[in-house]
Order: sequence, then structure tokens, then C-alpha cells
Amino acid sequence: SQQGEEDPQALSIQEGENATMNCSYKTSINNLQWYRQNSGRGLVHLILIRSNEREKHSGRLRVTLDTSKKSSSLLITASRAADTASYFCATGTDYGQNFVFGPGTRLSVLP
Amino acid sequence: DAGVIQSPRHEVTEMGQEVTLRCKPISGHDYLFWYRQTMMRGLELLIYFNNNVPIDDSGMPEDRFSAKMPNASFSTLKIQPSEPRDSAVYFCASSLAGDPAEKLFFGSGTQLSVL
Repeated sequence: SQQGEEDPQALSIQEGENATMNCSYKTSINNLQWYRQNSGRGLVHLILIRSNEREKHSGRLRVTLDTSKKSSSLLITASRAADTASYFCATGTDYGQNFVFGPGTRLSVLP
Repeated sequence: DAGVIQSPRHEVTEMGQEVTLRCKPISGHDYLFWYRQTMMRGLELLIYFNNNVPIDDSGMPEDRFSAKMPNASFSTLKIQPSEPRDSAVYFCASSLAGDPAEKLFFGSGTQLSVL
């Protein structure tokens, strides 16, 4: 069964607005990562947050992690048309490198 | 570095034929992963290797699928015989061991269509 579940499944916003995507998971994790996938391409790593961290920033990206609620959120501020892509969370455990990906959120940023 | 290189980019074959997908990981990376992506099931981990040794192949759907990593710079995923339900995008990814587990670098994928 999938570990991570992103929400919403699809999101459409105007350029300049902020986009928030959520990820919920079921079991204890060591870290949680967010990836972006442009249409027809492979996934690209965006940011990693460890289980002992609560928030992390990278450019226009802000990730939060709430281990008590087993959830994470990805915020993209001042979105651009180039941010149009699918976004996936992936969870890692102490037990190996078998990262489990959620079904993803399809983000459309309209110019 | 050229990144993770997969070939072919597209493969169209007929049911029953053997299909071989190839992957060259990033030089120096310890781990290699094979994922399959479909609309219905999303991204599924099929198998991963550490230092050329298969560690977890529990995601391999059935005996028709096999994967090898004869050396640190090459891996194959073979499907024999192929079936229409194998149609998907197959991704190879590699990573460098770290604490915590390091990020994955993905190839561009192989779009497989089995007719």
C-alpha cells in the first residue's frame, strides 16, 4: 500500500498566487522528500525534511512536517507558469532505501 | 555528469516479445532503483540494488520481470514475455548512500507500449 497520499489531486491557480499541497502518511518515517515531475520527464528532487525538523525553506518552497499528525505540506509562493507540474511526496524509513511515493498533485499555474 | 541515462526512450512491442530496458546510473552512486509509473497505480518501486546487489525485489510484479546489475555502471530490466498490462513508463533512479537516505536522481524514463 502507498505510504504517502497527496492532497489535492489537482490544483489550478493563477500566476502569482501561492500553491499549497499536502501529504499524509501512515507509518513512522526517517525523512520526507518532495519531487516535481514535468510532463514526459523524470522526477526531480526539490527538498528533503528530516523527521526531527519542522520546517524547511528552499527559494520559493516551504515545507513543513508534523510527525504527530503524520503529514507534510509543500508551499510554493508567487507561483509561475513554469511551476506547472505534478508534485510527489516520498517517505523514507530507517529500514532501507525503498522510498514510497504518493499519487501526486497536478498543479496548473495559469498565466 | 550526464545524470541517469535510460534507453530506449520509447519502446513499442507486441505481446509475447521480450523487452529489455537499460540504465546507466550516476557515477559513484551506491543505489539503483527501478520504478514503474502508470495512471492507475502511480509510481511503484519494482526493485533496488545496493553496490550491484539486489536488496528488495518485492515490488517485481511476477516472474516475467527480472533485473540485473552486472556492474556499478549498468543495469537492465527485462520483461519476458511482455503483456499489454506492462505498458507504463519505467524509471531508473540512483542515489548516494547517506544519513539520512539521500535524494534520488531519476532518468527520463522509458515509455513502454505493449500491443
